[in-house]
Amino acid sequence: AQTVTQSQPEMSVQEAETVTLSCTYDTSESDYYLFWYKQPPSRQMILVIRQEAYKQQNATENRFSVNFQKAAKSFSLKISDSQLGDAAMYFCAYRSALRGSQGNLIFGKGTKLSVKP
Amino acid sequence: DGGITQSPKYLFRKEGQNVTLSCEQNLNHDAMYWYRQDPGQGLRLIYYSQIVNDFQKGDIAEGYSVSREKKESFPLTVTSAQKNPTAFYLCASTRGSGNSYEQYFGPGTRLTVT
Repeated sequence: AQTVTQSQPEMSVQEAETVTLSCTYDTSESDYYLFWYKQPPSRQMILVIRQEAYKQQNATENRFSVNFQKAAKSFSLKISDSQLGDAAMYFCAYRSALRGSQGNLIFGKGTKLSVKP
Repeated sequence: DGGITQSPKYLFRKEGQNVTLSCEQNLNHDAMYWYRQDPGQGLRLIYYSQIVNDFQKGDIAEGYSVSREKKESFPLTVTSAQKNPTAFYLCASTRGSGNSYEQYFGPGTRLTVT
């Protein structure tokens, strides 16, 4: 079974600075997808960024980028120029690429990010 | 606008009563999911359905039941057999499995059982 681990329950960053959230996962599959979701105080889950395991290039979305290390099974999220609106819970998630798989996301326990003005 | 609706946002029930949480989507997605979120636990899969009239148990299905009579709807019933039902419940949908398509989430229902 696949597992996702986020080792940092809480993180803090100064506004305008950069922060990196860690995520490791365990799987025996060679093809899969990885996601970072943001959950602000409203509790609405919002997709931040996704990465296909077969792609070597790290995904980027504006101020958000990932460092995907497939051999190490590591998938960290870097937030640049942090803004007050980035304050939220961040969840790392895994999804199998196998046809016929359940299709559900397997989540880590989350990292609560605080942004200091 | 396309999306997922869950109602109500807050739900209160007495212990021993069954309660049904609503989930509706107009995204024309085949697959729908129910997750439970507890503090410090992340999200855990309760049930999922990849097609109408078919659904499968997830990791924590005991004490829950679902139906999928229409593509748009995937209600979750929390039965009196669920030992610790107080939690935040999230419904999600996506186009299918084995792909990188985004999984869309509803706004959630906070259930409190006393």
